[in-house]
Amino acid sequence: NAGVTQTPKFRILKIGQSMTLQCTQDMNHNYMYWYRQDPGMGLKLIYYSVGAGITDKGEVPNGYNVSRSTTEDFPLRLELAAPSQTSVYFCASSYTFGSGTRLTVV
Amino acid sequence: GENVEQHPSTLSVQEGDSAVIKCTYSDSASNYFPWYKQELGKRPQLIIDIRSNVGEKKDQRIAVTLNKTAKHFSLHITETQPEDSAVYFCAASISTGTASKLTFGTGTRLQVTL
Repeated sequence: NAGVTQTPKFRILKIGQSMTLQCTQDMNHNYMYWYRQDPGMGLKLIYYSVGAGITDKGEVPNGYNVSRSTTEDFPLRLELAAPSQTSVYFCASSYTFGSGTRLTVV
Repeated sequence: GENVEQHPSTLSVQEGDSAVIKCTYSDSASNYFPWYKQELGKRPQLIIDIRSNVGEKKDQRIAVTLNKTAKHFSLHITETQPEDSAVYFCAASISTGTASKLTFGTGTRLQVTL
């Protein structure tokens, strides 16, 4: 039982590049979330999903997209990366967080 | 939507003293209030939670109290130890039994000094 697995752990992107942050859970939870946490700050909700095929925007969705084709997977897509997207990204399944992805956009 | 305010933003206590962190929420329909501890460079970890049908919950040195009328809830840590040093986040949500969208407070950086 791995819980919530995020990959990659670290990534450096150039401005304008795209990438997908992966998140997988093996707890059979319906609810999954993506948060970003800027240095020394709190958690801001980007997108969430209440089940396979259902997603909704959080408070900071601009520049991101998500999909939820299965209960287990909830990838976050960054299109046209910008320096403002430099942050640590946490995926959560129900109330359990993954270990995070530290993203730097240069 | 829900708004959660958390105070203080920083808290320094001596080892062995108690620490109290307070949060207020705006949506009277909120019924689930978890607390997370985040150590430097780590993920937030759920340490204790309380539901609206309970006024207080304890787990060893930590306790949470809830005042539904005033719409505030607090985290109490007794006999603090250096390993309690971390950032603590409160959150509130309207839970339907499985999970729901959490609204987080802005965090409290707790420093326990020797």
